[in-house]
Amino acid sequence: GIQVEQSPPDLILQEGANSTLRCNFSDSVNNLQWFHQNPWGQLINLFYIPSGTKQNGRLSATTVATERYSLLYISSSQTTDSGVYFCAVEDWYGNKLVFGAGTILRVKS
Amino acid sequence: EAGVTQFPSHSVIEKGQTVTLRCDPISGHDNLYWYRRVMGKEIKFLLHFVKESKQDESGMPNNRFLAERTGGTYSTLKVQPAELEDSGVYFCASSQIREVLNTEAFFGQGTRLTVV
Repeated sequence: GIQVEQSPPDLILQEGANSTLRCNFSDSVNNLQWFHQNPWGQLINLFYIPSGTKQNGRLSATTVATERYSLLYISSSQTTDSGVYFCAVEDWYGNKLVFGAGTILRVKS
Repeated sequence: EAGVTQFPSHSVIEKGQTVTLRCDPISGHDNLYWYRRVMGKEIKFLLHFVKESKQDESGMPNNRFLAERTGGTYSTLKVQPAELEDSGVYFCASSQIREVLNTEAFFGQGTRLTVV
């Protein structure tokens, strides 16, 4: 099945700094989503982005489907950005999300 | 519009007992999924319903797990009897059906299950 790798596995930032999280996948996809798992365990939808670029406030994401990767940009990080960021993809054969291991982000004030 | 809701949010049970988790999907979403994250590992797929039919249950770990979706609305996931290794967070997700691209999946807040 499709493999998803996220990097870095964890990241510590000073408040106000910018960061880039990466998601590589092993096959072509028809769905890619980024999630933020907050300290209460909730999975919050950030982006639905099988291809192209989207922006939402301080966050933006780019998926280059032909090269099988996606990037999540966080600008001017805040302590509330802390948590685990997951990338998840669906290939063209199945109808289920395959998750990466996540990136643990800690933003210090 | 209400999101995906799960009940209970937490459950602590003894090994050998039975627990039933419930998921109410977003209204109009025919796809319903169960996932779980155990012991800080990756979030893994359990099964997929399309309306009331099980489309894919390849992720169900064993026959102690039983999922139902009567009437194509809410779903339940029963663990009987529970084992220590079943501890983790169980997520439910739902999405609309579209013919070409798969649609965005929305997740509930999860049920944290602790088996002691």
